[in-house]
Amino acid sequence: SQTIHQWPATLVQPVGSPLSLECTVEGTSNPNLYWYRQAAGRGLQLLFYSVGIGQISSEVPQNLSASRPQDRQFILSSKKLLLSDSGFYLCAWSVHHGGSYNEQFFGPGTRLTVL
Amino acid sequence: GENVEQHPSTLSVQEGDSAVIKCTYSDSASNYFPWYKQELGKGPQLIIDIRSNVGEKKDQRIAVTLNKTAKHFSLHITETQPEDSAVYFCAASGTGGFKTIFGAGTRLFVKA
Repeated sequence: SQTIHQWPATLVQPVGSPLSLECTVEGTSNPNLYWYRQAAGRGLQLLFYSVGIGQISSEVPQNLSASRPQDRQFILSSKKLLLSDSGFYLCAWSVHHGGSYNEQFFGPGTRLTVL
Repeated sequence: GENVEQHPSTLSVQEGDSAVIKCTYSDSASNYFPWYKQELGKGPQLIIDIRSNVGEKKDQRIAVTLNKTAKHFSLHITETQPEDSAVYFCAASGTGGFKTIFGAGTRLFVKA
């Protein structure tokens, strides 16, 4: 069966510090991968998605970036965190079949607090 | 752009009652409509979905209905239990399937 991991689970960082969040998927090959951010009590905002190694699409211009160095690894980064970067970051995957039915499966999330 | 509106934002019901959450979508090309349940501090979990070629789908106490003409879809939970308390998200996805647009969520409280 497929599993998705995220770490760390919780992170507290000062403003201006760098960020690296990691997501890995097991049990599937060539998945579509996604990074979402969820502000407190709010919905899900799609940040990035990737359909293959090295292929990243950005949905929201900001000081975050994403990379996919391996097939089942997705990394969210920042060079300098802002207070507004605080939130719950979710990684998700879906089967890469090119069809319309995009069942997405979410990881456990990383809660980021920027102070 | 594409949009999914979800109502109500908060819903409180008595244990054993039914709960209904409604969503509307704007993109007529949408053809896949999942529902997710998110418990506190966890990632959303897919609980049921419906595809555009059917109007209704049921799984035990949970049912979803879809009206493509009106661009409405709804989640129905019957015989609610305290463990149903969570935030529920509707979503819509269209051709190509890479972008799933989520509603803002409904916080459901089931009172024992």
